[in-house]
Amino acid sequence: TAGITQAPTSQILAAGRSMTLRCTQDMRHNAMYWYRQDLGLGLRLIHYSNTAGTTGKGEVPDGYSVSRANTDDFPLTLASAVPSQTSVYFCASSDSMGSTDTQYFGPGTRLTVL
Amino acid sequence: GQNIDQPTEMTATEGAIVQINCTYQTSGFNGLFWYQQHAGEAPTFLSYNVLDGLEEKGRFSSFLSRSKGYSYLLLKELQMKDSASYLCAPMDSNYQLIWGAGTKLIIKP
Repeated sequence: TAGITQAPTSQILAAGRSMTLRCTQDMRHNAMYWYRQDLGLGLRLIHYSNTAGTTGKGEVPDGYSVSRANTDDFPLTLASAVPSQTSVYFCASSDSMGSTDTQYFGPGTRLTVL
Repeated sequence: GQNIDQPTEMTATEGAIVQINCTYQTSGFNGLFWYQQHAGEAPTFLSYNVLDGLEEKGRFSSFLSRSKGYSYLLLKELQMKDSASYLCAPMDSNYQLIWGAGTKLIIKP
């Protein structure tokens, strides 16, 4: 199985432009997550979704929005990109939230905002 | 506050044993995960400990002491492919993972 796919693999974006990072999973997991990973820091949670139709804010949600229209897809949108959003973005999923279920990660999107 | 402390970088020799330590402070505790992350790739699950003691899984073992807020990952018979970052992530009372910055392990022949 593919597990989790993310697109694009990498992107260079001009500051002020908008962009949507795509994430799709085929494991029928209820919970999905968006993290950013920056050098010297641990993964930081941006937004999460408990189940289709519900989303919540993580540790660093400002400047980002998400939607969860169905079980499989969890896109992350940057409405007006800023250079501090340059990072590697990982989507993850787990069977459920509020449990010790293992999180599985997509391959990541490397985003550079100039 | 919540805090994770693990060494930034370690070097070891192929065929040897290495222990990667992690100390943590979290609001509540629901177990601790270790992930492996090769450069430019996604983190992949290695182990989960919720009870004190050592869990062995092939060449990798993970230890937990809840009273000390301490865990370690033990890698035996090191191979060049073990060169990667190792991420320690305890789970707090809200079942949120608190991620350390990771330990970059360099294996030399």
